[in-house]
Amino acid sequence: NAGVTQTPKFRVLKTGQSMTLLCAQDMNHEYMYWYRQDPGMGLRLIHYSVGEGTTAKGEVPDGYNVSRLKKQNFLLGLESAAPSQTSVYFCASKRPGLSYEQYFGPGTRLTVT
Amino acid sequence: AQTVTQSQPEMSVQEAETVTLSCTYDTSESDYYLFWYKQPPSRQMILVIRQEAYKQQNATENRFSVNFQKAAKSFSLKISDSQLGDAAMYFCAYRRGDNTDKLIFGTGTRLQVFP
Repeated sequence: NAGVTQTPKFRVLKTGQSMTLLCAQDMNHEYMYWYRQDPGMGLRLIHYSVGEGTTAKGEVPDGYNVSRLKKQNFLLGLESAAPSQTSVYFCASKRPGLSYEQYFGPGTRLTVT
Repeated sequence: AQTVTQSQPEMSVQEAETVTLSCTYDTSESDYYLFWYKQPPSRQMILVIRQEAYKQQNATENRFSVNFQKAAKSFSLKISDSQLGDAAMYFCAYRRGDNTDKLIFGTGTRLQVFP
């Protein structure tokens, strides 16, 4: 049982390049989330999904797109990377229901030069 | 919109002593949940403790306890008998009582533990 995994762990992009971050969970969770963490800012929600085939915007969605084609995977895409997207990205998943907690992945450190 | 404020960017404590981390939040809702997460240098987010707003009793998990003051919108974390492994960033988080379960995080407090 691997929990929540993220691929890759580190990445360096040049401005304008595109990439996709993969989040995978093996806990059969319905809900999945993408956050970004910047120094002094805490974690902020980018996009989230409450089920396969559904996505919704979070607090800071601009410049990102997501897809949830399979229940176990949640992809975060950057179509044209900008230096402002340099951050640590966290994925999380949970079961529906208020008594359940979010489980976080180990994070992806992305640098855009 | 809900906000979460952690006014202490850094705190320090001596091993075996007690330290309290502060958190305040702003909401107009009556049904919500509050959490403290620990983030060690490994970056992994670890749930430390949670509190349901409808419960008057303060949550406790071993050496970790909270002081939940609903009227004052305050949610502090007390760490007793501090250990070197407690050194980490600590984040306070708020979750609405709706069906999206989104978390709103504070900016964090870095806790240093000295031997």
